[in-house]
Amino acid sequence: QSALTQPRSVSGSPGQSVTISCTGTSSDVGGYNYVSWYQQHPGKAPKLMIYDVSNRPSGVPDRFSGSKSGNTASLTISGLQAEDEADYYCCSYAGSSSYVFGTGTKVTVL
Amino acid sequence: EVQLLESGGGLVQPGGSLRLSCAVSGFTFSTYAMRWVRQAPGKGLEWVSSISTGGSATYYADSVKGRFTISRDNSKNTLFLQMDSLRAEDTAVYYCAKRGDNSAYSQDYWGQGTLVTVYS
Repeated sequence: QSALTQPRSVSGSPGQSVTISCTGTSSDVGGYNYVSWYQQHPGKAPKLMIYDVSNRPSGVPDRFSGSKSGNTASLTISGLQAEDEADYYCCSYAGSSSYVFGTGTKVTVL
Repeated sequence: EVQLLESGGGLVQPGGSLRLSCAVSGFTFSTYAMRWVRQAPGKGLEWVSSISTGGSATYYADSVKGRFTISRDNSKNTLFLQMDSLRAEDTAVYYCAKRGDNSAYSQDYWGQGTLVTVYS
C-alpha cells in the first residue's frame, strides 16, 4: 500500500480558509467512505478531527470540515486560528482490515 | 477519562526483539478493537496492526507481517506488540490507538507513544 498523497505544506493568514487534499486510489479513498483526518502538534499524539469523510467528533470546532470526490478527500479549515498550526494526516480504510495514511501536510498560520 | 499509556520502547540491535505494552483505562477495553500506528523520526504516520475485541482476529501491514505479533489481555486492560527480527527501518515512535466510538474506521484516542530505536 502506497501512502496517500498530500501537499507538503499549506499556509494562510488568521481568519482565512485553507484546504488540504488527500489523493489515493479506487482501492482506498475512492472505494470507501471511511476517510479520517488527524491533527498533530509537535511532540504530541495525533488527534481525530474528522471521521467517515465529513463527520466531526464532539469537541472539534465546526471550522473543520471534510469532503470527498472520487479518489480525493479534502479537509478545509475555515477562519484559520493560530492554534491550528500543526501537521495534518488523512487516513483511509483500504480493505481487508488495513489502513493507509497520507504523507502529511504542515499548516502554517502566517 | 480515557487514557492509553505505552511502554517497552528502547534501544535494540538489528535482529533483536522488543515487546511493547499499552495499558488503558477510562473505557471498556474488551469491547473495542485496538490498533498500533508508528511514526519514524520526522516522517508520517503508518498503520502497523489491528486486533479484534477478543483477540481472535489480527491484521498487519505488509512491512511487519511475519515479524510482529499483536495481542491483548482483556483481564488486564492491556494491548501488546511483540516485535521480532527488528530492522533499522522499524525505528519509530509507536502509538496505540482505540477504535473510534462513532466509526470503526477511525481512531479517537491515542497514547503518547513509545520510541523504538534499532541501531547497529
